[in-house]
Amino acid sequence: DQQVKQNSPSLSVQEGRISILNCDYTNSMFDYFLWYKKYPAEGPTFLISISSIKDKNEDGRFTVFLNKSAKHLSLHIVPSQPGDSAVYFCAATTGNYGGSQGNLIFGKGTKLSVKP
Amino acid sequence: KAGVTQTPRYLIKTRGQQVTLSCSPISGHRSVSWYQQTPGQGLQFLFEYFSETQRNKGNFPGRFSGRQFSNSRSEMNVSTLELGDSALYLCASKVVGLAADTQYFGPGTRLTVL
Repeated sequence: DQQVKQNSPSLSVQEGRISILNCDYTNSMFDYFLWYKKYPAEGPTFLISISSIKDKNEDGRFTVFLNKSAKHLSLHIVPSQPGDSAVYFCAATTGNYGGSQGNLIFGKGTKLSVKP
Repeated sequence: KAGVTQTPRYLIKTRGQQVTLSCSPISGHRSVSWYQQTPGQGLQFLFEYFSETQRNKGNFPGRFSGRQFSNSRSEMNVSTLELGDSALYLCASKVVGLAADTQYFGPGTRLTVL
């Protein structure tokens, strides 16, 4: 049973518009959430994260929103650029700070295409 | 600072064979984790090592094993390969005790099992 779900395998957006990528989770013990971006033939790179004590975190064009009651998070990219075209993975973990934290649970990814 | 390196980048094996993949972490990173990426299952955690000991293990059969050396380099081994083991195998490293978002991924090894 998938604990982290990205229900949209793909998303196409026009350059300059907003991209919204969604992620749902089932495990209420998750307390830290991350988004990674992955280009072909490269490993995932960390994009932005949010702790369960917050409901929003911003970093430049990227904002992550967390709705704990709905067990839902979303990544907003504004404005979208062609260079943002990649696969985006949502990930979650428990007890993020301290100790061994290698056990990230990933969603299956959403392929974002930003058209010029 | 050099990134995480993985060798080989591509590998073709046949069913029943075994394979060993290698990962060299970023200098100073003692934690190394391995992940499997497939189209159907996405990215799945295999195991994490630091101080030459396995610290966490994902839900994979015993055919998947790993080890870490004193210089923090890590290898993973898959025995008796199955067609379903075809995947991109990713290694990630970080400083022990720091948050998950400090983890850096290598480019992966693409394994094809025929």
